Amino acid sequence: NAGVTQTPKFRVLKTGQSMTLLCAQDMNHEYMYWYRQDPGMGLRLIHYSVGEGTTAKGEVPDGYNVSRLKKQNFLLGLESAAPSQTSVYFCASSLIGAEGTQYFGPGTRLTVL
Amino acid sequence: AQSVTQLDSQVPVFEEAPVELRCNYSSSVSVYLFWYVQYPNQGLQLLLKYLSGSTLVKGINGFEAEFNKSQTSFHLRKPSVHISDTAEYFCAVRGAAGNKLTFGGGTRVLVKP
Repeated sequence: NAGVTQTPKFRVLKTGQSMTLLCAQDMNHEYMYWYRQDPGMGLRLIHYSVGEGTTAKGEVPDGYNVSRLKKQNFLLGLESAAPSQTSVYFCASSLIGAEGTQYFGPGTRLTVL
Repeated sequence: AQSVTQLDSQVPVFEEAPVELRCNYSSSVSVYLFWYVQYPNQGLQLLLKYLSGSTLVKGINGFEAEFNKSQTSFHLRKPSVHISDTAEYFCAVRGAAGNKLTFGGGTRVLVKP
């Protein structure tokens, strides 16, 4: 089991460029999440999905879009990158149910110049 | 809505000394509580969680935490730290009926020889 994997690990963009971050999980989890991590602010939820074909906004959704066409994949898109989106992005997944422990990927470090 | 406050942003500690990381939360509903650890350049790993039952929860690597409902706290402790415990620690809360985690700002632990 690879668990949760993220592609790419690092990326540098120029302001206005677009990109897509890919998250994949092989644990057959229903729920998937995208977070961003900024110093002193912990992790903040961008978008999440409770199943294939469904997505919902989290705490900081502006400037991001997501898609979940397959159960095992969750894509995060930046249509027009801004310097404020410089951050480390983490994907996570979990089962439905009372426990709901989230399992995290290794992260993607994104710099927007 | 829930919120989490980690009272210390950094905690330096000598090897083999005890450490306590403080976490307070606010919520109008029943909650589940989690501590995650993030080693340098890695994703988050679950240390321990409180769902119900005994208020003293034991986790991996010798860590434990105590849930105090009256003080709305979930402090993390380890009686004797190792160099390998150098990491950032995150407290998180989840509503019992929900699936989204709210994270605190994190506490960096630096273990000195």
